[in-house]
Amino acid sequence: QQQVKQSPQSLIVQKGGISIINCAYENTAFDYFPWYQQFPGKGPALLIAIRPDVSEKKEGRFTISFNKSAKQFSLHIMDSQPGDSATYFCAATSGSRLTFGEGTQLTVNP
Amino acid sequence: GAVVSQHPSWVICKSGTSVKIECRSLDFQATTMFWYRQFPKQSLMLMATSNEGSKATYEQGVEKDKFLINHASLTLSTLTVTSAHPEDSSFYICSAPIVAPNYGYTFGSGTRLTVV
Repeated sequence: QQQVKQSPQSLIVQKGGISIINCAYENTAFDYFPWYQQFPGKGPALLIAIRPDVSEKKEGRFTISFNKSAKQFSLHIMDSQPGDSATYFCAATSGSRLTFGEGTQLTVNP
Repeated sequence: GAVVSQHPSWVICKSGTSVKIECRSLDFQATTMFWYRQFPKQSLMLMATSNEGSKATYEQGVEKDKFLINHASLTLSTLTVTSAHPEDSSFYICSAPIVAPNYGYTFGSGTRLTVV
């Protein structure tokens, strides 16, 4: 049972544009929501994370927006660059268990 | 800080043989290690959770006799794929929870297993 739904499956953005990836969850026990970036043949790397008591967190060009009542959260990548081309996973934790979304393959065209 | 070193990065083996994948925590003690499997263009699926000094906990549908996990020390966890078959070909990734410098999880770089 997939507890974290992620969309879109793939996304193509022009350089300098904004990339937006959305996730929705069902389990209200989730208490930590990280986003991971994965390049081909590599393990995921933490990009940014948020806790449910915060509605927004920004780190550089990356922003998480969190809507607790709607059980949704999203990643915004501002000024997207070709080097941002990768697969992005949202995730959520309950206790020590990490549940991943299905992933979004982002392509940023030069 | 909080680095997990995973080896090998890739391995090719013949059907019926066994392959061992190691994950070492380099600068912290990993009392817990998570093992994931990732098929091409798919998400990470948790296979099992290992805890130092105790038996691993396997997810439903994962054969514990096929995927042997050993967590003998606070810095080393191993996954052995026994009697490997082509359908076991996948990307295997380990992960450990961390509390510093930031709460979260650190991942190994993954192992590409190809069974021929």
